[in-house]
Amino acid sequence: ETGVTQTPRHLVMGMTNKKSLKCEQHLGHNAMYWYKQSAKKPLELMFVYNFKEQTENNSVPSRFSPECPNSSHLFLHLHTLQPEDSALYLCASSQDRTSGVTYNEQFFGPGTRLTVL
Amino acid sequence: GQNIDQPTEMTATEGAIVQINCTYQTSGFNGLFWYQQHAGEAPTFLSYNVLDGLEEKGRFSSFLSRSKGYSYLLLKELQMKDSASYLCAVNYGGSQGNLIFGKGTKLSVKP
Repeated sequence: ETGVTQTPRHLVMGMTNKKSLKCEQHLGHNAMYWYKQSAKKPLELMFVYNFKEQTENNSVPSRFSPECPNSSHLFLHLHTLQPEDSALYLCASSQDRTSGVTYNEQFFGPGTRLTVL
Repeated sequence: GQNIDQPTEMTATEGAIVQINCTYQTSGFNGLFWYQQHAGEAPTFLSYNVLDGLEEKGRFSSFLSRSKGYSYLLLKELQMKDSASYLCAVNYGGSQGNLIFGKGTKLSVKP
């Protein structure tokens, strides 16, 4: 148990559906991240939130829409996805280095396996 | 551009020592992380290097040379449970952990 939970663990959706992925961290961290992990490709950083403010959007298509209502919760809203969006979506959290930590390793959730038909 | 290279796959024998290399070219450098990821599971943190030299943590050690853009992860006394993917990641800047990951090295440990 890493202290980061994600729901659902598996999701199958059509290209016209709208769904949301949820992430919750119980570690008291102030930064949260969304990553995409596809087969034979490196983990790709999608979004970064620090103190609930989005600080990075790594050129992600607008069909992915993040939401961070507080520093413990992170959502990824999905709409009109494409089959190539099928991947493992990982959420992570960390403590920002300005908080005085020596290094800020990220703690990952188990991921949501998304299949777009 | 940003680039991290590591071997795609490696095989080693139980009880042996294996070294997984990682080279990087990034716009900035604020530390290098190694993560372990078992199939179907989340990546878990193994080590962090920001200064040159060797960091040892039990059976695992990690080395960094910033001038060469090079790191390695050394695993000693290999066990079957060490079969996993090992991800090299560089924090390329900012106070938060903006990481760029390599594709990972899939290590298979055989009896």
